[in-house]
Amino acid sequence: DIQMTQSPSSVSASVGDRVTITCRASQGISSWLAWYQQKPGKAPSLLIYAASSLQSGVPSRFSGSGSGTDFTLTISSLQPEDFATYYCQQANSFPLTFGGGTKVEIK
Amino acid sequence: QVQLQESGPGLVKPSETLSLTCTVSNYSISSGYYWGWIRQPPGKGLEWIGSIYHSGNSYYNPSLKSRVTISVDTSQNLFSLDLRSVTAADTAVYFCARRYSNTWYFDYWGQGTLVTVSS
Repeated sequence: DIQMTQSPSSVSASVGDRVTITCRASQGISSWLAWYQQKPGKAPSLLIYAASSLQSGVPSRFSGSGSGTDFTLTISSLQPEDFATYYCQQANSFPLTFGGGTKVEIK
Repeated sequence: QVQLQESGPGLVKPSETLSLTCTVSNYSISSGYYWGWIRQPPGKGLEWIGSIYHSGNSYYNPSLKSRVTISVDTSQNLFSLDLRSVTAADTAVYFCARRYSNTWYFDYWGQGTLVTVSS
């Protein structure tokens, strides 16, 4: 199985801050990576797919980069509605696996 | 807008079978896409369980494969999950979701249903 490791596990930030979350795959996955946002009591929501493609309807302050084993999700200017937990997911091979999550909290 | 809705018992006894159904609205399962199940233990991360196509072709997580069956009923536009011989470790919120286009990301999700395994 491909292990997905996210860091940090949590981050405290203020509205307007730039936030960066990283995800590392235990082996190369090309660009087969997605990022999801999950708010408490809700299902995850697809933000970014293919490492850097923005899902329809997702604000442009979200961006993704990387390929191979190292990936980054950046929120350029944190908004109140962005406080949530973010997960990466590899889609390179079965079983599909997710990172452990990064909780973005209010500072 | 595609909608997915999970349904099933919220409490299952240890060693019994957990059975859930996902009803799809505003899209015909027969038209394509893979449909899957993902779970999330309380306070923890996400685990993919498996996915199925309307033809019945399916993929499972090897860690659960011996206990899982996912089936599809195109006449009722739903798909189902059976997880056998459950233990407390199977307590989780279970989500159904649709595969995004011809990739293995998930673009539409149900709201999730909490299943507790306890006697």
